[in-house]
Amino acid sequence: DGGITQSPKYLFRKEGQNVTLSCEQNLNHDAMYWYRQDPGQGLRLIYYSQIVNDFQKGDIAEGYSVSREKKESFPLTVTSAQKNPTAFYLCASSLQGLATEAFFGQGTRLTVV
Amino acid sequence: GESVGLHLPTLSVQEGDNSIINCAYSNSASDYFIWYKQESGKGPQFIIDIRSNMDKRQGQRVTVLLNKTVKHLSLQIAATQPGDSAVYFCAENIGGNQFYFGTGTSLTVIP
Repeated sequence: DGGITQSPKYLFRKEGQNVTLSCEQNLNHDAMYWYRQDPGQGLRLIYYSQIVNDFQKGDIAEGYSVSREKKESFPLTVTSAQKNPTAFYLCASSLQGLATEAFFGQGTRLTVV
Repeated sequence: GESVGLHLPTLSVQEGDNSIINCAYSNSASDYFIWYKQESGKGPQFIIDIRSNMDKRQGQRVTVLLNKTVKHLSLQIAATQPGDSAVYFCAENIGGNQFYFGTGTSLTVIP
């Protein structure tokens, strides 16, 4: 079954800790994206990657880091430098990265406790 | 219109009526637009898309209209059903690898 999988669905983090959110896709898509969604708001781009071993900052990259060692995987690390990390995080992928539909995962809800 | 950071606009419609959801986009160079539906606690799902060389595109019960003159996009849902209740986002692509999303509109269908 092809798709994009995010894990875990819910994640709790203590202040000062780094956490890593997983995103895996078996759609053979070149481009992958991470978005953040706050309650009642739209999606904001954190990072995106067009190809393995390459990624670019989005609008709100501060306090986050990513890697793209494999085409299928694009993990997001929320570092302790991110002052307000509680949010819903969405991963997406697209075939060409240019003017094509983006497919989304089901999201990870991160809560700082 | 919509812009990132504002609270969600809301729309309530009676079951069976038509719904119209609007979106104002910001960049005149945007050449591709998508409407997504997001149910609570889930990721957005693709509904319909349109490229800038078109002004109308129809799907099953949905129609997207694009007015490039005023940078406006709308989604029309015919015969709205309870299962249509969700948040609807428009997304614009300016030809690069970034999609810019609107704040979204929360649609509630009243049985």
